[in-house]
This record gives sequence, C-alpha cells and structure tokens, in this order.
Amino acid sequence: GQNIDQPTEMTATEGAIVQINCTYQTSGFNGLFWYQQHAGEAPTFLSYNVLDGLEEKGRFSSFLSRSKGYSYLLLKELQMKDSASYLCATNQAGTALIFGKGTTLSVSS
Amino acid sequence: GAGVSQSPSNKVTEKGKDVELRCDPISGHTALYWYRQSLGQGLEFLIYFQGNSAPDKSGLPSDRFSAERTGGSVSTLTIQRTQQEDSAVYLCASSLGLAGALDTGELFFGEGSRLTVL
Repeated sequence: GQNIDQPTEMTATEGAIVQINCTYQTSGFNGLFWYQQHAGEAPTFLSYNVLDGLEEKGRFSSFLSRSKGYSYLLLKELQMKDSASYLCATNQAGTALIFGKGTTLSVSS
Repeated sequence: GAGVSQSPSNKVTEKGKDVELRCDPISGHTALYWYRQSLGQGLEFLIYFQGNSAPDKSGLPSDRFSAERTGGSVSTLTIQRTQQEDSAVYLCASSLGLAGALDTGELFFGEGSRLTVL
C-alpha cells in the first residue's frame, strides 16, 4: 500500500519563500509528483521526481530523497495567484497515482 | 477535443437513483483514471484503465460503483442506488501511458462532475 503525509494548511506572504513537505511510504516506488489545484478547478501538473535531488522549474522547485521517503515543493517569490492546494502523489510501477490529502496554501499581501 | 472532457458538469439526484458519469480522454491517451474528491479532501483513487482493461479496481468504494471503457476511448462511471455519502466531485484524468512509464507521467484532468445526492 501507499501512505502519503503532508501538512493540511500553510500561510505565507507575497514575495516570500515557502516549502511544502511530503513524506511517503510505498513499495515499488516509481516517482513522486506535485500537482497544483486552485479552488473549483482541476489539478494541474507541476513536477515529477524519480531520482534524488532538486528539480528546478522557474519559481518552483521540487526535491526528492528516496532513502528518506521525503519530498518538498519550494515556491519562491510568492504571488497571490499561488494560493491553491498542492497535492503530493506517488505511484508504484504500472499503477495509478495515489494522492495525499493536499496542502492548502494561502498567500496574503 | 483538446482536453479531457467530462459530463455532466453538475448532477443532482435523489438517493437511490442510478447515475452515469462520462469521460472523454485526450485522443491517443491509453491510460484513463477516475478519482473522487469530497469537499476539502484530497483525491481518492477509484479505478484506472490501460486501454479497455481495468487492472486495478481496488479503489471502488462498493459494488454499487462500476466503470467501463470502450474502444480505448470514452469511459463511463456508474453509481447504482446512490447514497448521500456519494456526493463529491468525480474527476477523470488521462495520460499518454501509465504514470511513471514516461519522463513526466503527467496526468491531464478534466473539470470534473459534481454529484449531489439529496
């Protein structure tokens, strides 16, 4: 089975940096994904890590440590539009993505 | 179409009625997934298809739930004898292959079908 934990809520201010952590337990790990979901909208893909290390993509970066079962999503230069739910997801090879409950990020001015 | 299309976008039904939710994936995507999202909750996996086959039905909450996919394209999720706890947004997603099999394994989600059971 798979178990994914991430904080329920986080708050931050515009221009700041925020790190959203995710820990997971899964057999046959085959990658860790981060999705963003604005209220009332469909989730959209942010990042994918299968090897240890940091993947940078503009203001967003994602880190993975497979030995620790740990990932984080780093958001820099926060903007109001970054207020959303951030979903961590893992999968075993050849199966569907299993999502965590999501972290709701509120960005204030 | 350009994206994943789901219908209906909203469905209000009475307890005990059957409902059918439809998903039209992105053309050429072999994998199709159904998830359920209750208010303020994460995505709950229901079932996925690789082609017309459903290798993993473990997420279906009860035998009132069933899904099929025909022609490797459109999928229908059927809920029989609906209950109030079935109220949720049902999200469909598709991917080119199974998540993880490709470089990104990106899932493309539809806008969802919001089901309200009175």
